[in-house]
Amino acid sequence: DAMVIQNPRYQVTQFGKPVTLSCSQTLNHNVMYWYQQKSSQAPKLLFHYYDKDFNNEADTPDNFQSRRPNTSFCFLDIRSPGLGDAAMYLCATSRDEFEQFFGPGTRLTVL
Amino acid sequence: KNQVEQSPQSLIILEGKNCTLQCNYTVSPFSNLRWYKQDTGRGPVSLTIMTFSENTKSNGRYTATLDADTKQSSLHITASQLSDSASYICVVSLHSGNTGKLIFGQGTTLQVKP
Repeated sequence: DAMVIQNPRYQVTQFGKPVTLSCSQTLNHNVMYWYQQKSSQAPKLLFHYYDKDFNNEADTPDNFQSRRPNTSFCFLDIRSPGLGDAAMYLCATSRDEFEQFFGPGTRLTVL
Repeated sequence: KNQVEQSPQSLIILEGKNCTLQCNYTVSPFSNLRWYKQDTGRGPVSLTIMTFSENTKSNGRYTATLDADTKQSSLHITASQLSDSASYICVVSLHSGNTGKLIFGQGTTLQVKP
């Protein structure tokens, strides 16, 4: 089945230790998004790739970076995680500005 | 300011009953409105998506309505099941170039009790 896959589903890291979250898709969508969702809050867009073009939201901290080596894969790198970065990280994809399909999310815990 | 407001914030109903969730938005220019269901600890799953010209759309026991004049939408759930317990999020897409920026509501948390 075509889908959005996120690995790992649960990630535990230590304060300040770099961590990478992975997203892959079999939908062949040209746009991929990363969202941060904290408990009982709406998802917050961090950045998105439109094809190879990277678009950063103005209020996304420099601590967060992303890579998209090909159409299918996109990575979220958190260079020095702080306690405030503990959250659910959602990857989504879309064909241009049509419906976004979300992955199951990665729950990040920072110790 | 582009905003999406949902009501109620939370709702408890008995299994088999119907319920209606509300969404008001002040988003311009409007592209489309979506309802997502998000189970605890999971990513949102799309239920319906409606463009400006669509008034209603159904997906099984879920029926969404849209009034673009009053900028209101509703999601009606018929014959609720225990598995309907989740957060329901109203999302409006802002027409912005090649990718529609999404404006999320805070969600309505629905609990269906036996």
